Amino acid sequence: EVQLLESGGGLVQPGGSLRLSCAVSGFTFSSYAMSWVRQAPGKGLEWVSVISGSGGATYYADSVKGRFTVSRDNSKNTLYLQMNSLRGEDTAVYYCAKGATSRTLFDYWGQGTLVTVSS
Amino acid sequence: EIVLTQSPATLSLSPGERATLSCGASQSVASNYLAWYQQKPGQAPRLLIYGASSRATGIPDRFSGSGSGTDFTLTISRLEPEDFAVYYCQQYGSSRGTFGGGTKVEIK
Repeated sequence: EVQLLESGGGLVQPGGSLRLSCAVSGFTFSSYAMSWVRQAPGKGLEWVSVISGSGGATYYADSVKGRFTVSRDNSKNTLYLQMNSLRGEDTAVYYCAKGATSRTLFDYWGQGTLVTVSS
Repeated sequence: EIVLTQSPATLSLSPGERATLSCGASQSVASNYLAWYQQKPGQAPRLLIYGASSRATGIPDRFSGSGSGTDFTLTISRLEPEDFAVYYCQQYGSSRGTFGGGTKVEIK
């Protein structure tokens, strides 16, 4: 059974940093691209970042480029999102999602972790 | 970057009725790499349709997708109580998987 479990969310002040983790099981982690997708309270879905299976390729939404860094540890079956210079508009539930036949087609999702940026 | 526009924003229907949701793209979606997801309150999204018209594993056949290029449609032939939710289209033809704004299907 495929499982994705996010952790690391919480309350952080504007300008602060946070690192999210996504522990996965049930599939060969290194064979699939992984993404982060976020959803602000009461809003729609926003794709944030994708990383290839090897970790050699990464892409970011313009809204987070230069502030967020996606990485993965294939030996630990874990995906990460390092978030720096956080802003109020970064407040959202952050989901990790498994890539399917294409990098940004998502066949499995975690349950999400809430990040709140506020003073 | 491709912008996806979904309409209507809200669809009010009764169980048993047919639902037709639209998704328009600002430019042609490469290889019809267009997906639909369903999201219920407090839950993660679920993949319904990929490649514009292929159902994902375990998705009932009352869900169907159609369209190509810049105009796509998700049809739910007969609404079941569990189908009332928010639906998102998404293009995955580029390395950035952009989503539409969503259509809420609510009980009339």
